[in-house]
Amino acid sequence: EPEVTQTPSHQVTQMGQEVILRCVPISNHLYFYWYRQILGQKVEFLVSFYNNEISEKSEIFDDQFSVERPDGSNFTLKIRSTKLEDSAMYFCASSEGGGAEAFFGQGTRLTVV
Amino acid sequence: ELKVEQNPLFLSMQEGKNYTIYCNYSTTSDRLYWYRQDPGKSLESLFVLLSNGAVKQEGRLMASLDTKARLSTLHITAAVHDLSATYFCGAPGGSRLTFGEGTQLTVNP
Repeated sequence: EPEVTQTPSHQVTQMGQEVILRCVPISNHLYFYWYRQILGQKVEFLVSFYNNEISEKSEIFDDQFSVERPDGSNFTLKIRSTKLEDSAMYFCASSEGGGAEAFFGQGTRLTVV
Repeated sequence: ELKVEQNPLFLSMQEGKNYTIYCNYSTTSDRLYWYRQDPGKSLESLFVLLSNGAVKQEGRLMASLDTKARLSTLHITAAVHDLSATYFCGAPGGSRLTFGEGTQLTVNP
């Protein structure tokens, strides 16, 4: 069964460092997303991506964040200068259409120290 | 801005009992999704409700959607321990899904 895969599963980084989280969405899906979940809290939307550009972003997705689809399979989230409050589980997801059923990857737990 | 509210946020129930989780959302939508999350894990799709009056059942769980009332319910029948998890409803708005805060369900023997 097709699935969304994310790497790494866990990343520890020092405050101020750049991190790149990687995702391989389901191959025939057109929309890609990043969500985050601070421990014990709700799942928050960061950004959606369609047709090689950002479709929608939340207020959390500020200038420190960027997304890219560098080739035909990978979808990345970059945080330029990490802060302590960026520590969270980051989920990549993909769907056939915008607002359609989203399939989530296993997540990357980011710890900023 | 789309708001999604779930209640209760915490639910502790005994095995064999029935209960309902409620999900209200603030804007018109003809679709609603339910997901399950086990501790430290990802979100697993449970139900896709695509129209007013939609009802889906899987095992001891049944989900329904009333788009006029902007309400979805997740009903648990004769709960078992394996159902212990956090359940999220998600409503589409634009190209995103907005999730409720989640209902942490604990089923006790």
